[in-house]
Amino acid sequence: NAGVMQNPRHLVRRRGQEARLRCSPMKGHSHVYWYRQLPEEGLKFMVYLQKENIIDESGMPKERFSAEFPKEGPSILRIQQVVRGDSAAYFCASSPPSATDTQYFGPGTRLTVL
Amino acid sequence: GENVEQHPSTLSVQEGDSAVIKCTYSDSASNYFPWYKQELGKRPQLIIDIRSNVGEKKDQRIAVTLNKTAKHFSLHITETQPEDSAVYFCAASTHNNDMRFGAGTRLTVKP
Repeated sequence: NAGVMQNPRHLVRRRGQEARLRCSPMKGHSHVYWYRQLPEEGLKFMVYLQKENIIDESGMPKERFSAEFPKEGPSILRIQQVVRGDSAAYFCASSPPSATDTQYFGPGTRLTVL
Repeated sequence: GENVEQHPSTLSVQEGDSAVIKCTYSDSASNYFPWYKQELGKRPQLIIDIRSNVGEKKDQRIAVTLNKTAKHFSLHITETQPEDSAVYFCAASTHNNDMRFGAGTRLTVKP
C-alpha cells in the first residue's frame, strides 16, 4: 500500500509563473489536506477537501491560490502568478473515511520561486 | 479558531535522559491530539496520538498525557537516543478535522 504521493518533489518557478502541485492520497483515503511550511517554521493549514468538495479553505489566501480534488485523479494545489514569498514546502496529507482525524503526510513539494 | 501553543521551541538533552514537550490549545471542542516527528527534509510522521476520552497513552519510550480541564497535553520521551533528534509538532483538531499545529520543538539528543 503506497503512502501519500506528491509530485513534483522539487519545483522551480520564476515570478509570475504558475505552480501546480499534485497529491495522490493513500488508497481508500477520501480526505485531503494541504499545508505550507516555511523554512524553520511549523505547518500552516491551507485547505481541506473531500472528493469534488472543498470543506474548509480558511487557511488559503483568497487570491492566486486554488485547490481541487476531482472525482478521478490527484488533488491539485494551484498557485498563479507566484511571488518569492510563495517559496516553501507544501505538504499534503490524507485520511481514511473511518478515521478522518488521523492524517498521513506525503513527502512534500519544495517550491522555489526565483 | 483553534490556537495551539508549543514549548519549548528548542530542547537539548543528554542521551538517556527524558524529554518533555508541552502544548496548550484554545478550543474546548478539540478532541484529537496527535504528535508528529519531522526529520530534516522529511515528511512529518505520526508517532503517537490521544483522544479526549483518554488521559494518558504510552507506546514503548513515548507517552502522551492530556489534561482537558487545563487544555494542555504533553509528549514524554524516556531514555532518549540520538535518533530521537528531530522537530516535534503537536496538533489539535475537533470533529471537523480542522487540525492546527504547534510551532514545533527542535529536540537535540547529545551522545
